[in-house]
Amino acid sequence: IAGITQAPTSQILAAGRRMTLRCTQDMRHNAMYWYRQDLGLGLRLIHYSNTAGTTGKGEVPDGYSVSRANTDDFPLTLASAVPSQTSVYFCASSDSPSGGTDTQYFGPGTRLTVL
Amino acid sequence: GQNIDQPTEMTATEGAIVQINCTYQTSGFNGLFWYQQHAGEAPTFLSYNVLDGLEEKGRFSSFLSRSKGYSYLLLKELQMKDSASYLCAVMDSNYQLIWGAGTKLIIKP
Repeated sequence: IAGITQAPTSQILAAGRRMTLRCTQDMRHNAMYWYRQDLGLGLRLIHYSNTAGTTGKGEVPDGYSVSRANTDDFPLTLASAVPSQTSVYFCASSDSPSGGTDTQYFGPGTRLTVL
Repeated sequence: GQNIDQPTEMTATEGAIVQINCTYQTSGFNGLFWYQQHAGEAPTFLSYNVLDGLEEKGRFSSFLSRSKGYSYLLLKELQMKDSASYLCAVMDSNYQLIWGAGTKLIIKP
């Protein structure tokens, strides 16, 4: 069982280019999340999905879009990358979106540099 | 606004005990989580508290006081492998996690 996988591991991207970060989980979790992690700041939620077919905006959604066509996959797209989107991106999943003792499990992350 | 505060960095000695504090102000409360994150790796779950009191799990314990908006993570018998960042996160009224910036723990021999 792989858990959550993300691709690519790292990427250097020219500003203005389009980029999709991939995330796949094999735990059949209902909820999935995208975070960015920047030095000196806590993880910040970009977008989330409580179940397949639904998505929602987090704290910092501007410049990003997501889709949830099925349970396993939750890609994050940067339509036109800007240098301020340089960050480490983590995908996470949980069995239920309503918290409680429900734990979020994280993928290994994608390190993105926008020049 | 919502805010999670924890020290930026702490240093401790191998074999000793260290306490990492976390204070929070959030819109609603549905539990507090502690995660461990080694450099260059993903956060991994350590503990969850939703009721006041102490939760013990091996060498790690976590305490919560909801009235004070306060939690701590206690690490006993420190090992070199415990060198990592420790992230405090609170689940708010919308069931979204609000994260602190993390405490980098340095263990010295």
